[in-house]
Amino acid sequence: ILNVEQSPQSLHVQEGDSTNFTCSFPSSNFYALHWYRWETAKSPEALFVMTLNGDEKKKGRISATLNTKEGYSYLYIKGSQPEDSATYLCAPTDNFNKFYFGSGTKLNVKP
Amino acid sequence: DGGITQSPKYLFRKEGQNVTLSCEQNLNHDAMYWYRQDPGQGLRLIYYSQIVNDFQKGDIAEGYSVSREKKESFPLTVTSAQKNPTAFYLCASSIVRTTPYEQYFGPGTRLTVT
Repeated sequence: ILNVEQSPQSLHVQEGDSTNFTCSFPSSNFYALHWYRWETAKSPEALFVMTLNGDEKKKGRISATLNTKEGYSYLYIKGSQPEDSATYLCAPTDNFNKFYFGSGTKLNVKP
Repeated sequence: DGGITQSPKYLFRKEGQNVTLSCEQNLNHDAMYWYRQDPGQGLRLIYYSQIVNDFQKGDIAEGYSVSREKKESFPLTVTSAQKNPTAFYLCASSIVRTTPYEQYFGPGTRLTVT
């Protein structure tokens, strides 16, 4: 796994809007997909880890889906709040548990 | 509180000087990692260690060195051979007994070399 793409690079939404981002990756040698939230001046925080095609995970207003056959994952935020403002990183891993990080989607939620 | 600490938060050095970045964890994790972040790029792996006294090069190890004398500590030295040392450096750790591994991160050190 070499090329991990996240889109969009940045996103500005109003409080209350729902939004979603995409993580695309080559599906060969795929083992797991991790999502992290990285707030400014803090450590990246793990959100989800998924391994199976069709996996869906949810934590509060945030959810994620995984399609390993076509090589993508979506992250959804329902009713965005200013505290959701952060950079969201995805990282697929290979069979050796090596992480390959995307460059992230920077979300700014305006009150 | 369990976690990963990196110090200092900001570090300034003159070109030609070696500098060592600290990473300590009290999570009892076996594996530790160093990543580098540059603007517009994903985190890139510099070095990693899965056990004390052993470590492996990552994708961009040139100009860096590490040691793993204790389970809790994995310092990174940025040598004068590193051509573009100015960057944000993140340390991480993980348990390796269960898969998939989950990596936990420190807050990072921003290194500026002039």
